[in-house]
Amino acid sequence: GDSVTQMEGPVTLSEEAFLTINCTYTATGYPSLFWYVQYPGEGLQLLLKATKADDKGSNKGFEATYRKETTSFHLEKGSVQVSDSAVYFCAQEDGGATNKLIFGTGTLLAVQP
Amino acid sequence: GAVVSQHPSRVICKSGTSVKIECRSLDFQATTMFWYRQFPKQSLMLMATSNEGSKATYEQGVEKDKFLINHASLTLSTLTVTSAHPEDSSFYICSARDTTSGFYNEQFFGPGTRLTVL
Repeated sequence: GDSVTQMEGPVTLSEEAFLTINCTYTATGYPSLFWYVQYPGEGLQLLLKATKADDKGSNKGFEATYRKETTSFHLEKGSVQVSDSAVYFCAQEDGGATNKLIFGTGTLLAVQP
Repeated sequence: GAVVSQHPSRVICKSGTSVKIECRSLDFQATTMFWYRQFPKQSLMLMATSNEGSKATYEQGVEKDKFLINHASLTLSTLTVTSAHPEDSSFYICSARDTTSGFYNEQFFGPGTRLTVL
């Protein structure tokens, strides 16, 4: 079945370091892809999304490109801040009638000053 | 952006009791709401899809009689954990879809409810 696999954490970086969190998916069709962020004690927030191949989603300095050939949607940021510390979830939407989201296991990012 | 609230944020109950969790869309109408369960250090697992005015659609392996879902209005869905047991202890998260947003109906997530069954 459809699934999402993302790198295990925690990922610990120093402030201003480059961030990559890998995400790959398996799907029978062409799903929309998402990154959600969950800050401590809060609900999930949509960080960025891409709806078709080669689309690049971006927000708050984060970017991810929908790569159909490698079935990937890796999250990147050039210079992380302490305030970026959170759990990041990669997800796909099945595009069917219910538009259900399938999540990866989440990656904890800890940025140290 | 759109806001989704959950109540209570945290609940502790005795084994055998029932617990109701509310999910509200505060500033938009949501014909569809989703209920997820999140285990420690694990992903969100979809439990059921709640549609206003109709029966919920449960995912495989989720007991309908155990987790009762009611979506009585366009802004409120409730999840009732009946006869709760310690293994039901978890973090329950709802999301709501804004059906008026046009091209893409984004899901907005509530802050979650931590259930602990003693």
